[in-house]
Amino acid sequence: EAGVAQSPRYKIIEKRQSVAFWCNPISGHATLYWYQQILGQGPKLLIQFQNNGVVDDSQLPKDRFSAERLKGVDSTLKIQPAKLEDSAVYLCASSLYGRAMDTQYFGPGTRLTVL
Amino acid sequence: AQKVTQAQTEISVVEKEDVTLDCVYETRDTTYYLFWYKQPPSGELVFLIRRNSFDEQNEISGRYSWNFQKSTSSFNFTITASQVVDSAVYFCALNERDKIIFGKGTRLHILP
Repeated sequence: EAGVAQSPRYKIIEKRQSVAFWCNPISGHATLYWYQQILGQGPKLLIQFQNNGVVDDSQLPKDRFSAERLKGVDSTLKIQPAKLEDSAVYLCASSLYGRAMDTQYFGPGTRLTVL
Repeated sequence: AQKVTQAQTEISVVEKEDVTLDCVYETRDTTYYLFWYKQPPSGELVFLIRRNSFDEQNEISGRYSWNFQKSTSSFNFTITASQVVDSAVYFCALNERDKIIFGKGTRLHILP
């Protein structure tokens, strides 16, 4: 069974530029998550989708970050415009139903460097 | 409020030694789930184990074992006879009410 796919793996941009990340979850998983992991810290949830609806985006900086999961499968996370403090690894994860008991499976992440 | 504390920021041991990674959590709920993930240098978080709050039985999987004690709110992880391939950052996580929070991780160095 294929795991969570993410692209690109690495991205370097200048501040104020835009960037987009793509994620394809494990087939059949209803719940998709985007996390931000700053160096030396644990992952922090940015947004959680259940199918194509948003369940939790309370920690998403909505003035610059946006995400969509239009057909309830793959998802795109966008940053516009990027700031230096956005440098981090962006991890996508998926789980079967999004319940507390469900294991989240993670993709390889996208390492973003903002110069 | 939920909180996960991994007090050990970084640990170094010589290969074949045993090592224990500590995890202490805080929660007001009686139903919750605990997880351990491994993050090797490649960056992907790899699922290791899930435990629910009603199952305090310790678990062993090969060289890995987990000790869950509700009385001390701890869920510690032991690697027996460590190997260089065990070098990674290990995260403990708590999920209650469908919200997961990760600890800051423990970076483990296994020296040859």
